[in-house]
Amino acid sequence: DVVMTQSPLSLPVILGQPASISCRSSQSLVYSDGNTYLNWFHQRPGQSPRRLIYRLSNRDSGVPDRFSGSGSGTDFTLKISRVEAEDVGVYYCMQGTHWPLTFGGGTKVEIK
Amino acid sequence: EVQLLESGGGLVQPGGSLRLSCAASGFLFSFYAMTWVRQTPGKGLEWVSSIGGSGDSGDRTFYADSVKGRFTISRDNSKNTLYLQMNSLRAEDTAVYYCAKGRGGDHWGQGTLVTVSS
Repeated sequence: DVVMTQSPLSLPVILGQPASISCRSSQSLVYSDGNTYLNWFHQRPGQSPRRLIYRLSNRDSGVPDRFSGSGSGTDFTLKISRVEAEDVGVYYCMQGTHWPLTFGGGTKVEIK
Repeated sequence: EVQLLESGGGLVQPGGSLRLSCAASGFLFSFYAMTWVRQTPGKGLEWVSSIGGSGDSGDRTFYADSVKGRFTISRDNSKNTLYLQMNSLRAEDTAVYYCAKGRGGDHWGQGTLVTVSS
């Protein structure tokens, strides 16, 4: 199985400042069609997860442009250009290239 | 608007069975793969099972090793409903179960809690 490793586990952030979350996979996530099936999700306390980014760097509808996804192969990053209060919660990466699908362990973002 | 509404969760004894349902609306249900993901209280997300749609691998099914042979995913396209039949339930199956649209989970339901305990 592909192991997804996120860091840090916890990320205290200052409002208005940038933030960055890392996700590493144990195998390349480049599929035979050339796409990289790496998604990012955000889960606020008491809510269901919401997808932010799909296929490495594509923002879902309604996702603010302060969120961006990047990376290649086995090394990926979610960046928030300027953190807002509503961005608190847990962020997960997920790979959809290989069966079984696997998630990272999560990064908890809280306001410092 | 895409909506996914899970139901069927509850308290069940070890070794028992439950069937979860996920009623879908707001999109062409038959076309899309559908997925079940679970979350143990206070913990992370675990993929459970996916089933293809007409636009993606037909009705092929996929399972996590932890549920293979015990859980069965299915769909009824005439009812726009996804199912998860869970047999031989164990304490470690206790979790909130979410259904999600597609393999990539572009929309999620609110989840239904399954508690396996004597």
